[in-house]
Amino acid sequence: GAGVSQTPSNKVTEKGKYVELRCDPISGHTALYWYRQSLGQGPEFLIYFQGTGAADDSGLPNDRFFAVRPEGSVSTLKIQRTERGDSAVYLCASSRVAGAQETQYFGPGTRLLVL
Amino acid sequence: GENVEQHPSTLSVQEGDSAVIKCTYSDSASNYFPWYKQELGKRPQLIIDIRSNVGEKKDQRIAVTLNKTAKHFSLHITETQPEDSAVYFCAASIDSGYALNFGKGTSLLVTP
Repeated sequence: GAGVSQTPSNKVTEKGKYVELRCDPISGHTALYWYRQSLGQGPEFLIYFQGTGAADDSGLPNDRFFAVRPEGSVSTLKIQRTERGDSAVYLCASSRVAGAQETQYFGPGTRLLVL
Repeated sequence: GENVEQHPSTLSVQEGDSAVIKCTYSDSASNYFPWYKQELGKRPQLIIDIRSNVGEKKDQRIAVTLNKTAKHFSLHITETQPEDSAVYFCAASIDSGYALNFGKGTSLLVTP
């Protein structure tokens, strides 16, 4: 079946602009995770949803970052007043249910470049 | 919070040799340890995982061992092939939190 998909695959923006990144999880997966991967580093957790609610947003770096999942499927990560330090690959993952031992399947990521 | 250390950062082996990547974790509550392979510009893909009630797991040329007392786990790849070349990430998660905490990755190069 279809895996996790993310759009756009690449996004170039200017410092101070607003961006939205979209994630489509695997059909039927109730848990959805956002990670950020800087060059040469492992993915870093940002937020995860169980259904429509953000169950853990402890990884969001500051209040410029926000994510929603209004219908429990597609999620959007929103970044306000972008800064050059926000440049990274933003990865989305989904799992069948939320659980510490559930396999997380990753999307291809959105490469964000803030000029 | 959980801290995952991964070594080495780079590893070069000849085709047919074995490769071993080691990770340590800090939180004794961690109980799930997946390994992901990431090729350049591609998504991380799960290659094997191990849960805390198991000491070793094998899948063809890939094996993972877990030592909960010492809080470390290792990935073993035997009979390496050029297509094994990629960055490998270990991760750990705990029961009360569902985030994966990743190591910094190991860049494996298998030369023919």
